[in-house]
Parts: sequence; C-alpha cells; structure tokens
Amino acid sequence: DIVMTQSPDALAVSLGERATINCKSSQSVLYSSNNKNYLAWYQQKPGQPPKLLIYWASTRESGVPDRFSGSGSGTEFTLTISSLQAEDVAVYYCHQYYRIPLTFGPGTKVDIK
Amino acid sequence: EVQLLESGGDLVQPGGSLRLSCAASGFTFGNYDMSWVRQAPGKGLEWVAGISIRGRSTYYADSVKGRFTISRDNSKNTLFLEVNRLRAEDTAVYYCAKSSAAMIVYHDYWGQGTLVTVSS
Repeated sequence: DIVMTQSPDALAVSLGERATINCKSSQSVLYSSNNKNYLAWYQQKPGQPPKLLIYWASTRESGVPDRFSGSGSGTEFTLTISSLQAEDVAVYYCHQYYRIPLTFGPGTKVDIK
Repeated sequence: EVQLLESGGDLVQPGGSLRLSCAASGFTFGNYDMSWVRQAPGKGLEWVAGISIRGRSTYYADSVKGRFTISRDNSKNTLFLEVNRLRAEDTAVYYCAKSSAAMIVYHDYWGQGTLVTVSS
C-alpha cells in the first residue's frame, strides 16, 4: 500500500498569513505515461464530509478560492493557503489515487492563531 | 445538483450485519465509478471499497475484504455496501463518494454519511 504522511499534524496561523501543509507518499504517484500526479487535497470541517480542493496535485476544483494552491511531484507535495481566512479552519487531507487501495494522509488541523 | 444520500447505518452487535445504501441524483449515475469511504470517530479517512460503472469490477481495502460487499443498481441510481461479521473497529461514519470519472480516481462529491456503531 502507498503510505501517505503529512506535516505538521497541526498549525495555527494568523488571519491573512500563509499556511503550508506538506504531504509525502511512500512511492511516486506520478504516472509517466500522462505525466500526471495522482494526488488530491480535501478540506473537512467539523460535522461535514470532505470537500475536494485540488486534484492532479495542482488543479483547483471549480468554485475553490484561488488562495488555495497545490504543488509538488513524485513523492512530495504541498498545499498552500496564501492568505488564511476564518472559514479555512478545518482538517486538510492529502489523498493518492495512483494505486488501489486508495489511501489518505492522517490529516493536518489548521486553526487561527 | 449532485446529491448523495446514505442510509442504513445503525447500532449493531459484534458479528452482526447491515446493508448501507446511497441514493444518487443530479448526475448520470451509471457513467461513474463509486466508492465507500469511512471515518472512525475522531480519526482520519479510510477508503473501504470501490466499484466500476457496470459493477463488473470491485475493489476492497484489506481490512474489509471477505466481510464487505459493494454493489450498485444503475436502474435505481443506488450504491450499496453489505457489511458482515462486524467488529468494534468498523464503527465509523460511512460516506458514499462519486469518482470524477469512469475509473477509481479522486472523488468530487461526497454524501453526508451514515453512522455504523458496533457495540454489545
């Protein structure tokens, strides 16, 4: 199975400041035939299902604010919130869909400092 | 508007069984692979099972293989998860999730979930 790890476990950022979450996969999720990274990011607020933010490592889902961006390739990825808003308080998960079983990172909790 | 509505969760004793359902609307159900993903209380997300568009291919996490069965009825736009020989560690909210394509990839829509509690 592909193991996903995230860092940090939690972070607190001031409103308007940048938040950066890192994700690593135990093996590459870059598919060489199409040069796509099979990596997504989800946001989950308390009592709600996960919401898709980013797929193919860097493609923003429709309707997601442009302060959210994804980057990285191979085994190392980053989710950046460029200017944290109060509504961004949530747990963020990275997710690989390169190989079954699909796996998720353990999550990173983002709070306001 | 895409909607996924799960049902069937309940309190069940260890060793018991349940059938979870997910009623889909707002998209052509038969054109997309589907999955079940669960979340134990206070824990992270765990993919449980996936199914191809016509149901001919099914996929499972090792933790549920042989105990859970995923199926679908495209004529009724409904996804199912038969859960058997339940254990305490199966206690979780079970989410129905739509794949973004006719293959198991990222999930663009999720239901609100149904709670399965395994306890004596």
